[in-house]
Amino acid sequence: GENVEQHPSTLSVQEGDSAVIKCTYSDSASNYFPWYKQELGKRPQLIIDIRSNVGEKKDQRIAVTLNKTAKHFSLHITETQPEDSAVYFCAATTSGTYKYIFGTGTRLKVLA
Amino acid sequence: SAVISQKPSRDICQRGTSLTIQCQVDSQVTMMFWYRQQPGQSLTLIATANQGSEATYESGFVIDKFPISRPNLTFSTLTVSNMSPEDSSIYLCSVEPDGYTFGSGTRLTVV
Repeated sequence: GENVEQHPSTLSVQEGDSAVIKCTYSDSASNYFPWYKQELGKRPQLIIDIRSNVGEKKDQRIAVTLNKTAKHFSLHITETQPEDSAVYFCAATTSGTYKYIFGTGTRLKVLA
Repeated sequence: SAVISQKPSRDICQRGTSLTIQCQVDSQVTMMFWYRQQPGQSLTLIATANQGSEATYESGFVIDKFPISRPNLTFSTLTVSNMSPEDSSIYLCSVEPDGYTFGSGTRLTVV
């Protein structure tokens, strides 16, 4: 069945450094790839997304890249800050199905 | 994006009992989704709730254990029935489009 693998499971970076989280999906029909940030005790919140007709998307310090051929996509956070510390989930879905397959999550710790 | 109110926010329940979780959206949506997030884990889809039809359940989830109602386009309930400690999780409702918007979640502890 559909599967999304996410790596690493934990990531510690120094404040100001960059963080990269990678996901690989199995369903070649997937065409929408959102990323969520979940702070402790809170709901997951959408932070950025990308569709299959785009290779890269950027929003301030956050960017997402997509490689359709390899079926993987990545989240890049630059100039990390302590408030970036959270669990990040990637997901993949196919338009019209509305069913999202989530990755296993990455716990990011930004060390001051 | 939609605003979702979910309640209760948390509850501690005795094993063998049932809990109904409510999800209210501030706009009409075709599909609502119920997810479970076990402690320290990812999100697993329980079922998709469509107004006017039976919910569609994912593998490993059954209607007898997780009955769902969807009486209109802004409201849904999920019941966790005959609870055991293994049901201790966060339960989240969500709606489309353009990336899920999640409710605030219900933290359930079964003792």
